[in-house]
Amino acid sequence: GENVEQHPSTLSVQEGDSAVIKCTYSDSASNYFPWYKQELGKRPQLIIDIRSNVGEKKDQRIAVTLNKTAKHFSLHITETQPEDSAVYFCAASIGGSQGNLIFGKGTKLSVKP
Amino acid sequence: NAGVTQTPKFQVLKTGQSMTLQCAQDMNHNSMYWYRQDPGMGLRLIYYSASEGTTDKGEVPNGYNVSRLNKREFSLRLESAAPSQTSVYFCASVLQISTDTQYFGPGTRLTVL
Repeated sequence: GENVEQHPSTLSVQEGDSAVIKCTYSDSASNYFPWYKQELGKRPQLIIDIRSNVGEKKDQRIAVTLNKTAKHFSLHITETQPEDSAVYFCAASIGGSQGNLIFGKGTKLSVKP
Repeated sequence: NAGVTQTPKFQVLKTGQSMTLQCAQDMNHNSMYWYRQDPGMGLRLIYYSASEGTTDKGEVPNGYNVSRLNKREFSLRLESAAPSQTSVYFCASVLQISTDTQYFGPGTRLTVL
């Protein structure tokens, strides 16, 4: 079946450094790629998304890049802050007439002050 | 505008008991989902409803049933709970399947003894 691989599973950085999380997907028909942030005990919340007709998207300190040829996309967080500490999930839409999302297994990001 | 709501927030069951998890959204979304989240496994789709009156299996449907009661409500039923169903259950909704943001409810933490 279709899947999304996410790496690394854990990531520890110093405050102010950059963090990069990478995902690969298998479904060539995927055309929507959201990223969710989940704080401990809370619900996942969308932080940024990108569609297949765009190669890069930025929102303040967060950016996402997409390489459709290689079937991978990445989340970049610059100038990390302790409040960025959370679990981040990537997802990819599954092709077909009723495509849904398939999620990666998550990356636990720790930002040390 | 409450978004996506779920009840109950916590539940403890004994093996073999049954229960229904409730989900409601007030955003006039067409599609609704049930996910389970286990440590290190990300979010896995149990069932979804692309529109009122339709339901379909996701990745891990065994042991569950769903009902799309109306456009607002989507319930998940465990007929005979098993310890393997201990998990955090999230409901989500989206205006347009696959290409729009999925909004998650606060989750239900279920323990089956």
